[in-house]
Amino acid sequence: SQQGEEDPQALSIQEGENATMNCSYKTSINNLQWYRQNSGRGLVHLILIRSNEREKHSGRLRVTLDTSKKSSSLLITASRAADTASYFCATVPGGGYNKLIFGAGTRLAVHP
Amino acid sequence: EPEVTQTPSHQVTQMGQEVILRCVPISNHLYFYWYRQILGQKVEFLVSFYNNEISEKSEIFDDQFSVERPDGSNFTLKIRSTKLEDSAMYFCASKNKISPDTQYFGPGTRLTVL
Repeated sequence: SQQGEEDPQALSIQEGENATMNCSYKTSINNLQWYRQNSGRGLVHLILIRSNEREKHSGRLRVTLDTSKKSSSLLITASRAADTASYFCATVPGGGYNKLIFGAGTRLAVHP
Repeated sequence: EPEVTQTPSHQVTQMGQEVILRCVPISNHLYFYWYRQILGQKVEFLVSFYNNEISEKSEIFDDQFSVERPDGSNFTLKIRSTKLEDSAMYFCASKNKISPDTQYFGPGTRLTVL
């Protein structure tokens, strides 16, 4: 499998519920980032967590990072219909500050 | 708020034709990138550019591809002889030294090769 694999591939929830998406990766990293993409649109940076951090919050977003398991999770609390989008994790490989390696993404649908 | 812009939003071309995709990165940014996303697939890194030269490129970025920063504001991706499999969404991104890890993406150009 490849760097930055998310699960689930698709998630369907009701407004107000929490959404949790997971990401696994293979190689050492400098940091891990989560991006959001509305259908057919550009990528919006949500949050970045460095390899020496374990948890980070931003508004309704909570990201965790477990470097021993090479995994991360993104939690969106109290979801809204406007959160409907695809969410991607992206890693910056260790030893460089350049390319992002994206996972396949989780398609989140939040129903009113 | 400054943002990365890309033109055109949609480009249709015939196989074998040359295309140039244009990007205007955020003005004080120093690192520039191109990525592509084939429909339904993951976003893939193509090339990174810093200090007027390519700093890294992927296997996808073969001799048919080139990048240029012709005038200090635009950043272009040229595909010399397009193939059907070049059909994809192409994203430009940029970042600066102050926030060295966050790449800001443009809205993308959808390239359709017929």
